[in-house]
Amino acid sequence: DVKVTQSSRYLVKRTGEKVFLECVQDMDHENMFWYRQDPGLGLRLIYFSYDVKMKEKGDIPEGYSVSREKKERFSLILESASTNQTSMYLCASSLVLNQPQHFGDGTRLSIL
Amino acid sequence: QQQVKQSPQSLIVQKGGISIINCAYENTAFDYFPWYQQFPGKGPALLIAIRPDVSEKKEGRFTISFNKSAKQFSLHIMDSQPGDSATYFCAASSNNNDMRFGAGTRLTVKP
Repeated sequence: DVKVTQSSRYLVKRTGEKVFLECVQDMDHENMFWYRQDPGLGLRLIYFSYDVKMKEKGDIPEGYSVSREKKERFSLILESASTNQTSMYLCASSLVLNQPQHFGDGTRLSIL
Repeated sequence: QQQVKQSPQSLIVQKGGISIINCAYENTAFDYFPWYQQFPGKGPALLIAIRPDVSEKKEGRFTISFNKSAKQFSLHIMDSQPGDSATYFCAASSNNNDMRFGAGTRLTVKP
């Protein structure tokens, strides 16, 4: 079974801090994704990566960056956290783009 | 831009009833249409998926109906159970497009 592990379930940070969210998958998947989930808005894609060191912007990349130095690990970085980045963040992976994505259990991030 | 529109936003069904959630898409290049189920505190998990070469796919109590000409697809949950209470997301993707998700439907099945 594919396992996608997000390093923190809950995180509280302060405005202006640099925040790192980590995600690891164990199935040698090519693609990894970061989503933000807000009530009534569904899942919105922040960034995805189709290979090591490769990344593509999603719908809402502003204020975020990503890093993929190893195939199994995909990090989301909030350069200078703001209160409007308080949200649930979900990481996912898939073998190819047009196949099921496997999700982690999310990180609920609060920015105070 | 919301490429996949999902309705209703919330749904309350009695135990044993049929739950129906509808989705519509815009991009005719989409050729993979999954449904995800999400319980509180968990990430979404794939429930059932369909490709446009068939009009219906059934897995147990869950059925996807697909209408290519109307660019619509729906999830039917037969004999709904309280354990089905969750948030359901439809999605669509293609080889050249990342997956687009609907806004979600919160289903409550009353005992």
